[in-house]
Amino acid sequence: NAGVTQTPKFRVLKTGQSMTLLCAQDMNHEYMYWYRQDPGMGLRLIHYSVGEGTTAKGEVPDGYNVSRLKKQNFLLGLESAAPSQTSVYFCASSYSEQETQYFGPGTRLLVL
Amino acid sequence: DQQVKQNSPSLSVQEGRISILNCDYTNSMFDYFLWYKKYPAEGPTFLISISSIKDKNEDGRFTVFLNKSAKHLSLHIVPSQPGDSAVYFCAANDEYNFNKFYFGSGTKLNVKP
Repeated sequence: NAGVTQTPKFRVLKTGQSMTLLCAQDMNHEYMYWYRQDPGMGLRLIHYSVGEGTTAKGEVPDGYNVSRLKKQNFLLGLESAAPSQTSVYFCASSYSEQETQYFGPGTRLLVL
Repeated sequence: DQQVKQNSPSLSVQEGRISILNCDYTNSMFDYFLWYKKYPAEGPTFLISISSIKDKNEDGRFTVFLNKSAKHLSLHIVPSQPGDSAVYFCAANDEYNFNKFYFGSGTKLNVKP
């Protein structure tokens, strides 16, 4: 089992460019999450999904969109990247609510 | 304003001694708490959890204590080992927003051989 994988590992974008971060899990988990981690702050929830075809906003959703077309994949999109979106992005999945979340290795994004 | 706070960014402990990592929260509705451990270039991994019906949970060398009246929890590692050197995050949520976990900013633990 690969667990939770994230693509890419690192990316540099120019302001205004768009990109999609891919998260994949092979544990048949219903719940998937996208977090960002910034220096001096904890992980903050961007968006989450409670099942295929569903998405919901988290704590800091502005500037991001997500899609969960397949149960195993959760995509995070940046339509027009801004320097404030420079961060490390973590994807996580869990079997159900309040269950242990399994995290991917992270994607480091730099927006110039 | 952060609802979960870890006020010590770093902690250094000698191998074999006890490590105590602290976490405070402001939301009295929080009823489930977790600790995660994170090595560099890896995602956080689950360590131990506690629900508000308990005040202590133990798993091997790791014990989490919860003081609801003080809105404080702590993670004790005894004895500390060099392999425990990592960043530790506490997280919390409540039954009404069970999909939303709030994380502290982390404490970097260094266990010296």
